[in-house]
Amino acid sequence: DAGVIQSPRHEVTEMGQEVTLRCKPISGHDYLFWYRQTMMRGLELLIYFNNNVPIDDSGMPEDRFSAKMPNASFSTLKIQPSEPRDSAVYFCASSLGVYYSNQPQHFGDGTRLSIL
Amino acid sequence: DAKTTQPTSMDCAEGRAANLPCNHSTISGNEYVYWYRQIHSQGPQYIIHGLKNNETNEMASLIITEDRKSSTLILPHATLRDTAVYYCIVILYGSGNTGKLIFGQGTTLQVKP
Repeated sequence: DAGVIQSPRHEVTEMGQEVTLRCKPISGHDYLFWYRQTMMRGLELLIYFNNNVPIDDSGMPEDRFSAKMPNASFSTLKIQPSEPRDSAVYFCASSLGVYYSNQPQHFGDGTRLSIL
Repeated sequence: DAKTTQPTSMDCAEGRAANLPCNHSTISGNEYVYWYRQIHSQGPQYIIHGLKNNETNEMASLIITEDRKSSTLILPHATLRDTAVYYCIVILYGSGNTGKLIFGQGTTLQVKP
């Protein structure tokens, strides 16, 4: 079975450029999560969606970050304009029916982002 | 969600059982204990979870003490591929809860030949 698919796997760009990270959740999963991992802060939740609707974006660092989920099989995390401190590994995860069950989250392999 | 405490690092000989402890003394009655691991350069991987009873699956066993204030993840026959950071997470599931995972620093398990 296909897991969570993220693209690109690596992204290197210059400061000020727009960056778009993509995620395809596991088919049938109704929850989608975006995380960021850095050495300093570890793994932290940025935003999550339920049935394509953003539920909690309190972890989004600032207005330069935005996330969308236009349909059940695709989500994007956009940074505009990008800054060197945004350099991190960004993970997408999906799960089924978190709200009333104990289904675990399944993670993609991440996008390693470097802002020069 | 209850805070967890794990040792920073542990070593284990290949082929031996790896026992990873986790303290969660403030856990409440309807909070679950979840274990994830992260192998270098990969996304976190779910291992196992439990509420009160001990649990076993194809990857590991989870032993939860009777008072639920601590638990132990057991990898019965550790291999070099089990070298990873292991995260113990306590989380509340049910109506009104988000299921948000809060990752601590975890335990770095080094399996040695």
